[in-house]
Amino acid sequence: DQQVKQNSPSLSVQEGRISILNCDYTNSMFDYFLWYKKYPAEGPTFLISISSIKDKNEDGRFTVFLNKSAKHLSLHIVPSQPGDSAVYFCAASAATQGGSEKLVFGKGTKLTVNP
Amino acid sequence: IAGITQAPTSQILAAGRRMTLRCTQDMRHNAMYWYRQDLGLGLRLIHYSNTAGTTGKGEVPDGYSVSRANTDDFPLTLASAVPSQTSVYFCASSPGGQNTEAFFGQGTRLTVV
Repeated sequence: DQQVKQNSPSLSVQEGRISILNCDYTNSMFDYFLWYKKYPAEGPTFLISISSIKDKNEDGRFTVFLNKSAKHLSLHIVPSQPGDSAVYFCAASAATQGGSEKLVFGKGTKLTVNP
Repeated sequence: IAGITQAPTSQILAAGRRMTLRCTQDMRHNAMYWYRQDLGLGLRLIHYSNTAGTTGKGEVPDGYSVSRANTDDFPLTLASAVPSQTSVYFCASSPGGQNTEAFFGQGTRLTVV
């Protein structure tokens, strides 16, 4: 049973336009959400995160929106650039007593930004 | 440069052989993790360690073992490799506690033939 779902395996957008990547989750205990970016032959790198007490977090061209009632989050990239072409993973974690949070990942969405 | 180092970068391994993937971090992070990435399946947690001396099972632990003798090192061992363990393996670490991100190594591409 997949707790974090990215239902779009791929997305293609034109340079300068907005990219919107979506993510749904099922575990209501998740309280911290992250987006990672991954280029081929490299490890995932942290992009942006949001706590469940917020509904929006912005960092430059990247904004993450969280809708707790719908158990849905999205990553907006605007304007999109060719260098943004990568696989984007949504991840979530839940606070645990006495231990570190373990990230649960979605399957990823491959974003292609066309010049 | 501070970060996570994985070795080897890639390996072709005969089925039935034993293999240890190495992972070292110099950020003094408490928590460390091993994930595998497979096409269409995303990143799945194999084992984790909240702090030196402790380990725990993740989502797909079968066929793998780990140890955490000190803060910096978190090796992953395949006792008897099988073709289904062909994958890209990522080690990660985090400071620990709540609301912290994990930092990933560059990965080890393992092919079991």
